Amino acid sequence: DIQMTQSPSSLSASVGDRVTITCRTSQSISTYLNWYQQKPGKAPKLLIYAASSLQSGVPSRFSGSASGTYFTLTISSLQPEDFATYYCQQSYSTPYTFGQGTKLEIK
Amino acid sequence: EVQLVETGGDLIQPGGSLRLSCAASGFTVSSNYMSWVRQAPGKGLEWVSVIYSGGSTYYAESVKGRFTISRDNSKNTLYLQMNGLRAEDTAVYYCARAAGSSGWFDPWGQGTLVTVSS
Repeated sequence: DIQMTQSPSSLSASVGDRVTITCRTSQSISTYLNWYQQKPGKAPKLLIYAASSLQSGVPSRFSGSASGTYFTLTISSLQPEDFATYYCQQSYSTPYTFGQGTKLEIK
Repeated sequence: EVQLVETGGDLIQPGGSLRLSCAASGFTVSSNYMSWVRQAPGKGLEWVSVIYSGGSTYYAESVKGRFTISRDNSKNTLYLQMNGLRAEDTAVYYCARAAGSSGWFDPWGQGTLVTVSS
């Protein structure tokens, strides 16, 4: 199975801050890496697919990048609605593993 | 509009069985890869199972041999038959459309809660 190491597990930031969440995989997965946002009591929402493609309707302040087995999700300028939990997920092979999640809180 | 609606969650005793349903609208279930993902209370996301458009199925090791994913093309509905339920199966279960065999999950249903307890 492909192991996902997501960091940090939690993060405090202020509106307007630039934040980066990282995800490292235990083996090469090309760009089969996706990012989701989840708010309390709601289903996850796709933000970024194939490492760096922005899902339709998602604000352009969200971006993703990849370098080998190292992936990042960046929010360029935090907005109040961005405070949520973020998950990475590999779709290279089954089992389709998720990262442990990063809870983004207001400072 | 593309939409998924899960039903069937309940309080069930350990060892019991339950079938979850996921009704799709706006697209054809049988032409897509469909997955189940679960989330235990206060925990992260865990992939459970996938059914490919060709009918192949795959499962997480934690549910293999106990859960069965299937679909009813006439009802455009995805199912998850869960047998031999354990306390650790307690979770919100989401269905999601996968963008191919190596694709992302979008959209997701709203989730249905399964509680396994005596």
